[in-house]
Amino acid sequence: LAKTTQPISMDSYEGQEVNITCSHNNIATNDYITWYQQFPSQGPRFIIQGYKTKVTNEVASLFIPADRKSSTLSLPRVSLSDTAVYYCLVAPPHTGKLIFGQGTTLQVKP
Amino acid sequence: NAGVTQTPKFQVLKTGQSMTLQCAQDMNHEYMSWYRQDPGMGLRLIHYSVGAGITDQGEVPNGYNVSRSTTEDFPLRLLSAAPSQTSVYFCASSYRSGALNTEAFFGQGTRLTVV
Repeated sequence: LAKTTQPISMDSYEGQEVNITCSHNNIATNDYITWYQQFPSQGPRFIIQGYKTKVTNEVASLFIPADRKSSTLSLPRVSLSDTAVYYCLVAPPHTGKLIFGQGTTLQVKP
Repeated sequence: NAGVTQTPKFQVLKTGQSMTLQCAQDMNHEYMSWYRQDPGMGLRLIHYSVGAGITDQGEVPNGYNVSRSTTEDFPLRLLSAAPSQTSVYFCASSYRSGALNTEAFFGQGTRLTVV
């Protein structure tokens, strides 16, 4: 499974757009990129998944360049409730074997 | 719709004791897996299952046993608890095939302390 690298922590202010970049240089052809969010004392929750270009849902956008060696999770106009740890995962679809890195701790300040 | 249910939520064990963490899902998911999360760390995969009767080891399987006799249940057994197994344990489930969206659903966790 491809190894991912993302910043350990980020700070932002309410109302700002936050972009978290994940590096995955050895991504395989059949791998998808998935982001999860985890609040303290809770299990991770799926945010978004993509293979290439751009994916958008009601929560976030995911930008993937043509070489797919990195990806950027974009959270528009964050609020205090977006304070959480964000994990980038790279794996084939339909796998029960998810490998988590340390994630990025996002702290949103008022 | 209960999703993934873990019991108990909290447990304190003495070193050397054994116990079983329960995990049940009602979404008819083929895949189920167990993770542990130590303070300030990401989740580490302990064991996973791709269907009833099939299990495999993850990143940190030592000291844990699993079995999958039904699609719904995936219990995790600690054979002889050690302080190093103090952690929060998460169970997850997902579909094996079908829709492109392959998100995993996680339970609320079991906080285990071994003294």
